[in-house]
Amino acid sequence: EVQLVESGGGVVQPGRSLRLSCVASGFTFDDHAMHWFRQAPGKGLEWVSRINWNSGRIDYADSVRGRFTVSRDNAKNSLYLQMNSLREDDTALYYCVKGGVALVSFFDYWGQGTLVIVSS
Amino acid sequence: EIVLTQSPGTLSLSPGERATLSCRASQSVSGSNLAWYQQKPGQAPRLLIYGASTRVTGIPDRFSGSGSGTDFTLTISRLEPEDFVVYYCQQYGSSPQTFGQGTEVEIK
Repeated sequence: EVQLVESGGGVVQPGRSLRLSCVASGFTFDDHAMHWFRQAPGKGLEWVSRINWNSGRIDYADSVRGRFTVSRDNAKNSLYLQMNSLREDDTALYYCVKGGVALVSFFDYWGQGTLVIVSS
Repeated sequence: EIVLTQSPGTLSLSPGERATLSCRASQSVSGSNLAWYQQKPGQAPRLLIYGASTRVTGIPDRFSGSGSGTDFTLTISRLEPEDFVVYYCQQYGSSPQTFGQGTEVEIK
């Protein structure tokens, strides 16, 4: 059974940092690209970042580029999102999502999300 | 970037009725690489359909997808109470992959 378990969310002041983690199981982690999505309260889905299987290709949404850094540790079946210079509009539920072998794919497994609230 | 526009924004129907949700792309979606997701309140999105018409294992057959090029449709043949939630389309035919803004199916 595929499982994606996020952690690291919380309440943080604007300008501070937070690191999200996602532990994957039930599939061959290093065969797949991995993605982060977010969803602000009452809003739609926003793609945040993706990383290919060997970290050789990394992409970001314009809204987070230069502030967020995605990484992975295939030995630990883990995905990370380092979020710096957080802003109030970064408040959202952040999802870890299993990608396909290709960088562009549909998404068959999503974690349950970890909530990030940026507020003074 | 391909922009996906879903219509209507909200669909008001009764249980047992047929729902037709539209997803229109700003340019042709390569290979009919279009997926549909269902999101219930408090839950992560769930993949229903990929390749425009291939239903994921375990998804009830009242859900069907069709279309190609720029026009795609998700049909729910007979609405069950648990189907009154939000649906998103996504294209993965070209980078960056993109999502529509969602259609909410509400009880009339």
